[in-house]
Amino acid sequence: LAKTTQPISMDSYEGQEVNITCSHNNIATNDYITWYQQFPSQGPRFIIQGYKTKVTNEVASLFIPADRKSSTLSLPRVSLSDTAVYYCLVGEGRGSTLGRLYFGRGTQLTVWP
Amino acid sequence: SAVISQKPSRDICQRGTSLTIQCQVDSQVTMMFWYRQQPGQSLTLIATANQGSEATYESGFVIDKFPISRPNLTFSTLTVSNMSPEDSSIYLCSVEDRDRGNYEQYFGPGTRLTVT
Repeated sequence: LAKTTQPISMDSYEGQEVNITCSHNNIATNDYITWYQQFPSQGPRFIIQGYKTKVTNEVASLFIPADRKSSTLSLPRVSLSDTAVYYCLVGEGRGSTLGRLYFGRGTQLTVWP
Repeated sequence: SAVISQKPSRDICQRGTSLTIQCQVDSQVTMMFWYRQQPGQSLTLIATANQGSEATYESGFVIDKFPISRPNLTFSTLTVSNMSPEDSSIYLCSVEDRDRGNYEQYFGPGTRLTVT
């Protein structure tokens, strides 16, 4: 499984765009990149998943360069409710190995008013 | 998307006792997963529970300590046996679903266990 490296914490203000970068230098050809969000006292929640280039959904965008050794989760115009821990996961089967997920330390995003 | 419930939501237990945590899913799923999240830490996978077969445990976790049952495709239990204060954690179950072309995992709300 590819190891991931993320910043431990990030701060932002309401209305700003936040970009969280994840390094995964040993990503394999079959690996996908998946991001999860976790609020205190809740289980993680799926945000977005991608293999290459750019993926966008209603809550975020995921940018993946051609070499796929890193990825950037972009949250547009964050609000206080986006304060959470964000996890980057890499693995076969689109973010998991036969369904199993191995979480790293994650990035604590704090949004200030 | 799958909806998952867990019981109990929290419990305080004495050292040496056991607690069984229930996980119920609103749809039939092949694989269910159990995770532990210790205070201030990330999630750690305990085991994979498949219906009709023995659970598969990750390194560092054993069946005698964390026996798992999977009697059908919508239900699983995790027992934390002979508890010690080090077992104080949040225990979460999850299932994988393929939705909108993505392989997403859905997590339950967790069971907060405190061992005294």
